[in-house]
Amino acid sequence: SAVISQKPSRDICQRGTSLTIQCQVDSQVTMMFWYRQQPGQSLTLIATANQGSEATYESGFVIDKFPISRPNLTFSTLTVSNMSPEDSSIYLCSVEWGEIAGELFFGEGSRLTVL
Amino acid sequence: GNSVTQMEGPVTLSEEAFLTINCTYTATGYPSLFWYVQYPGEGLQLLLKATKADDKGSNKGFEATYRKETTSFHLEKGSVQVSDSAVYFCALSDLINQGGKLIFGQGTELSVKP
Repeated sequence: SAVISQKPSRDICQRGTSLTIQCQVDSQVTMMFWYRQQPGQSLTLIATANQGSEATYESGFVIDKFPISRPNLTFSTLTVSNMSPEDSSIYLCSVEWGEIAGELFFGEGSRLTVL
Repeated sequence: GNSVTQMEGPVTLSEEAFLTINCTYTATGYPSLFWYVQYPGEGLQLLLKATKADDKGSNKGFEATYRKETTSFHLEKGSVQVSDSAVYFCALSDLINQGGKLIFGQGTELSVKP
């Protein structure tokens, strides 16, 4: 199994500011994924981050709002830029780990509240 | 496109009751199916999986059978415990048509009372 550490675990932010979430994995992985879980909602994929290439964003998410870095095979960051209250969510980092596509390990998430 | 639909929650049961959480899917190809569980204050964990029709995934007393004819993957447990209280997510992954991206249902909250 993979151990995934996310920082911060929670934060309260002011409108208009930006926050960077870090994701550290204890093993080298090819694909890392960032998900958003809005209050009471399911998980929505923001982007897929592969080391050495630009992140691939899903419909409705753009690089200017959610820039992602993937400097090596064990680390990634997601920045939530120019935050508004609508960005209040849990942001989850995950890695593909298993025999089949879709078998993911998740971090514990970063709970952001934007005032 | 591909999608997953779960029964709405919250579901409240007494300890030792039988649990069913319904899940149906829409997919153009032959997806793999999953149940993930999110305990309070924690990230998601894979509970069980199935990769082809008639496969049965099982773990921790939970079971789900991949039914292609009814496009369903219902989660069952014969006797729930208080510690099973969590949010359960059904999900699919279609490697051929969507590159293996995981698509989640809306989640079903289960509350088990002693």
